[in-house]
Amino acid sequence: GAVVSQHPSRVICKSGTSVKIECRSLDFQATTMFWYRQFPKQSLMLMATSNEGSKATYEQGVEKDKFLINHASLTLSTLTVTSAHPEDSSFYICSARDSGVRQTQYFGPGTRLLVL
Amino acid sequence: KQEVTQIPAALSVPEGENLVLNCSFTDSAIYNLQWFRQDPGKGLTSLLLIQSSQREQTSGRLNASLDKSSGRSTLYIAASQPGDSATYLCAVGQGGSEKLVFGKGTKLTVNP
Repeated sequence: GAVVSQHPSRVICKSGTSVKIECRSLDFQATTMFWYRQFPKQSLMLMATSNEGSKATYEQGVEKDKFLINHASLTLSTLTVTSAHPEDSSFYICSARDSGVRQTQYFGPGTRLLVL
Repeated sequence: KQEVTQIPAALSVPEGENLVLNCSFTDSAIYNLQWFRQDPGKGLTSLLLIQSSQREQTSGRLNASLDKSSGRSTLYIAASQPGDSATYLCAVGQGGSEKLVFGKGTKLTVNP
């Protein structure tokens, strides 16, 4: 089956620093990738939709200047949490939509971010 | 605004038991509905995908049904095993946008 990877799997950083998370589709092309955030015992909440070669579409309430998304190729999207604060600590999961016939989303393993 | 609710929030059963997980959604104008499995600290594994025109999907010991008009879906797990222990998430796909709206999940524990 299709594989989506995320790097890093876990990151601990100091408050005020920026953190970049990568999402890669390993064996298929993805013109669209999605970024979700999951707080403990909560649902996955869609943060933004990342489109290759164009600006990301952010959900209501998500600060685009704080969560920078770049989708420079058909296999890579990055999420940068700028000036991270403890309240940004969460589990970030990406998914990639197969641009082929199946039009199915495949999810990455997630990145655990802890901001001290 | 679409809201997805999953009941129960947690379920503990002995091995071998058949069980049903419930999912309800407020807006019946959905594109599809998916059931996922999430192990602790891990990503999501897609279990079953039901298109809006379908009534059910089956994969091995899993069967998912969809009643769009009443805004409900159930995930039936037959002959449960300890390896089935995980959190099961229900997500509805909104038509056209491909956005997924998730429920909070049901944490299942199957005791040996």
